[in-house]
Amino acid sequence: GAVVSQHPSWVICKSGTSVKIECRSLDFQATTMFWYRQFPKQSLMLMATSNEGSKATYEQGVEKDKFLINHASLTLSTLTVTSAHPEDSSFYICSARDFTIYEQYFGPGTRLTVT
Amino acid sequence: AQTVTQSQPEMSVQEAETVTLSCTYDTSESNYYLFWYKQPPSRQMILVIRQEAYKQQNATENRFSVNFQKAAKSFSLKISDSQLGDTAMYFCAFMQGGSEKLVFGKGMKLTVNP
Repeated sequence: GAVVSQHPSWVICKSGTSVKIECRSLDFQATTMFWYRQFPKQSLMLMATSNEGSKATYEQGVEKDKFLINHASLTLSTLTVTSAHPEDSSFYICSARDFTIYEQYFGPGTRLTVT
Repeated sequence: AQTVTQSQPEMSVQEAETVTLSCTYDTSESNYYLFWYKQPPSRQMILVIRQEAYKQQNATENRFSVNFQKAAKSFSLKISDSQLGDTAMYFCAFMQGGSEKLVFGKGMKLTVNP
């Protein structure tokens, strides 16, 4: 099956710093990637939709200047959390859509802890 | 806007038994897709099964099958011969045809006991 990787799997950063999370589709081309946030014992909340070569589309209530998304190629999207604060601590999950079928493949997630 | 409801927050079942997870959704569209995802303790989201709304036949994948009741907007998942590895959070999800967004339910924690 299709594989999506995320790096890093776990990152700890200090308040006020920025951190970048990478999402890669390893064996297929993904014109569209998605970024989700998941709080403990809760469902996935879609943050933004990332399309290769164009600006990301953010969901209502998500600060686009804080969560910078870049989809530079058909296999790579990055999420940068800028000026991180402890309330940004969460589990971030990306997914990539195989454009040939209506299906999303999920990465293993990145646990962000802001101290 | 579409909504997905999973009314059971938690269930447990004995190994080898059968369990059914319920899901209802609300949409005015006729073209859509429904999914069940599993999230084990590793937190990797895994697709369990998918159903196209235009298909009348219920989808099956080995021990997993769905009961898709389009008129009732119900999409339940049946797990037969439950295994310890089935212990996980299960999320029901909806995708409108032509859209790329998944709308998730709140999830249900399933525990399979030995």
